[in-house]
Amino acid sequence: NAGVTQTPKFQVLKTGQSMTLQCAQDMNHNSMYWYRQDPGMGLRLIYYSASEGTTDKGEVPNGYNVSRLNKREFSLRLESAAPSQTSVYFCASGPGLAGAPSISTQYFGPGTRLTVL
Amino acid sequence: GDSVTQMEGPVTLSEEAFLTINCTYTATGYPSLFWYVQYPGEGLQLLLKATKADDKGSNKGFEATYRKETTSFHLEKGSVQVSDSAVYFCALSDIAGGTSYGKLTFGQGTILTVHP
Repeated sequence: NAGVTQTPKFQVLKTGQSMTLQCAQDMNHNSMYWYRQDPGMGLRLIYYSASEGTTDKGEVPNGYNVSRLNKREFSLRLESAAPSQTSVYFCASGPGLAGAPSISTQYFGPGTRLTVL
Repeated sequence: GDSVTQMEGPVTLSEEAFLTINCTYTATGYPSLFWYVQYPGEGLQLLLKATKADDKGSNKGFEATYRKETTSFHLEKGSVQVSDSAVYFCALSDIAGGTSYGKLTFGQGTILTVHP
């Protein structure tokens, strides 16, 4: 039982390049989330997926797209990277209930440290 | 909107000292409250949680009580260890309107360093 896994762990991009961050969970969770962590700002929600087949914007969605590929996988794409997207990215999942509110605990992956030059 | 405010850090303590990290919140509904911990180079782990007023969450010697009257959820530990050195995040999940889907709102984090 690996929990939440993320790839890659580190990445350096040049401005304008694109990349996709991968996330997978093996806990059969319905809900998945992408956060970014910046110094002094805690974690901010980029996008989330309440259930397979649905995605919604979080607090800071600009410059990102997501895909809920199946119940296990939730990817985050940067189409044209900018230096402001230099951050640590965390994927999380939670039991949730499809189409219903949830107060469930979230389980986090180890993070991807992204630098955009 | 919802928000979480944590005490300014970093916090530096000697081993066996008493720890308090303050957390206050603003929410429109009836939030659940959480403390997450992040050890160096790792992702966040749930430390403890409370889902309604006056609930006390506890784990690994840490405690926090959900105080609705003061909108607070302060983290305490009676005797810290070097291994407690980490970043601590207070967070809330608000189900007002029934559409939160478990989304968390985080505080800015407090860095704790414990010296031998």
